[in-house]
Amino acid sequence: DPKIIQKPKYLVAVTGSEKILICEQYLGHNAMYWYRQSAKKPLEFMFSYSYQKLMDNQTASSRFQPQSSKKNHLDLQITALKPDDSATYFCASSQKGWGTGQLYFGEGSKLTVL
Amino acid sequence: SQWGEENLQALSIQEGEDVTMNCSYKTYTTVVHWYRQDSGRGPALIILIRSNEREKRSGRLRATLDTSSQSSSLSITAAQCEDTAVYFCAHQSSSFSKLVFGQGTSLSVVP
Repeated sequence: DPKIIQKPKYLVAVTGSEKILICEQYLGHNAMYWYRQSAKKPLEFMFSYSYQKLMDNQTASSRFQPQSSKKNHLDLQITALKPDDSATYFCASSQKGWGTGQLYFGEGSKLTVL
Repeated sequence: SQWGEENLQALSIQEGEDVTMNCSYKTYTTVVHWYRQDSGRGPALIILIRSNEREKRSGRLRATLDTSSQSSSLSITAAQCEDTAVYFCAHQSSSFSKLVFGQGTSLSVVP
């Protein structure tokens, strides 16, 4: 059974719309992350959360907003979508949020913006 | 090698050959991770090497870490078709808040 669940697996959106990517982890981990993967920038770090607190944010645009309602949830809201946002978004988790432990990745959510 | 501004590298080898992928990094790190990503899947850790280890082996995989030259390598011995994947190295950031991934090496092993 997958331990990190991302929904939806595929989504298509129109420019200017808003989408929410869902991530739940059942590994009992304390840190969660979002990474983005595209042809231009493989596995680009976006956000890290530890104990539901934002640790690091490398996303310049405020259009990307992580939302952590529970310790094992870290959703990603993307507003005013642009074609350049087209990518696969990976959620990951680790036991500790110190950047040294193993990351466990979900299967990704592939977003296409038309 | 990975990191820097290089694009995703591609390697194609024949089954049974050995292959080595290299990484170099600029910031201090105490650990280097190597991940493998199969097509359509998320990356998965295959080997992790810490600064007090110069070499680490796992089956046909061998990782090295040279902290003086800030470089790491991953070798696969007697590659098999199922080793076809993209391989990423990753190191901790200076703030310890995230892992920074290299550009990746796309390895294709053909019969």
